[in-house]
Amino acid sequence: DQQVKQNSPSLSVQEGRISILNCDYTNSMFDYFLWYKKYPAEGPTFLISISSIKDKNEDGRFTVFLNKSAKHLSLHIVPSQPGDSAVYFCAAKKGDNDMRFGAGTRLTVKP
Amino acid sequence: NAGVTQTPKFRILKIGQSMTLQCTQDMNHNYMYWYRQDPGMGLKLIYYSVGAGITDKGEVPNGYNVSRSTTEDFPLRLELAAPSQTSVYFCASSYSWEGAGNTIYFGEGSWLTVV
Repeated sequence: DQQVKQNSPSLSVQEGRISILNCDYTNSMFDYFLWYKKYPAEGPTFLISISSIKDKNEDGRFTVFLNKSAKHLSLHIVPSQPGDSAVYFCAAKKGDNDMRFGAGTRLTVKP
Repeated sequence: NAGVTQTPKFRILKIGQSMTLQCTQDMNHNYMYWYRQDPGMGLKLIYYSVGAGITDKGEVPNGYNVSRSTTEDFPLRLELAAPSQTSVYFCASSYSWEGAGNTIYFGEGSWLTVV
């Protein structure tokens, strides 16, 4: 029962270009979406979030877009930097304490 | 800035052994969680707690037990280790689960191998 899917296990981009990480979900009851970043041997850290009542949230180089009709969200990183190389997890929340994670996308930013 | 601390970081268990993963947080968070992450999969919630003395099952609770005697500590117990429990375990905490901008803080992970 994979309610949150990240269909690209990996993504490689050149430094300075845009990175676009995608996430699809199946449950229309999700009301909050989050992106986490994870470096090797570390726990995930919160990156950016968006409420289901919005379609865009921006924080510096990071922007999350939500398309509710398509049940799709994406994370844009521009410009990409080598330090952005990590695994990015998409997560979706429904009510209290019911958060589902995608399998993650490994981003590699090449200098 | 300790945040969420979990121990041990690595452990190898034999089938049938038991062990406890320790987790403590110093942020006075009400909510605590245990997740597991299998290769190529997202994090799955094992158990969670909304406050001292209160615990509840998550998505994959079988084979595990938890307790929450204090706000700070949320240990995860494996009673009879099985190879299917080989995974990376993450403890996490949050202040509450309402409103925009609320986040969960994760520990660094515990790598458990059952052989």
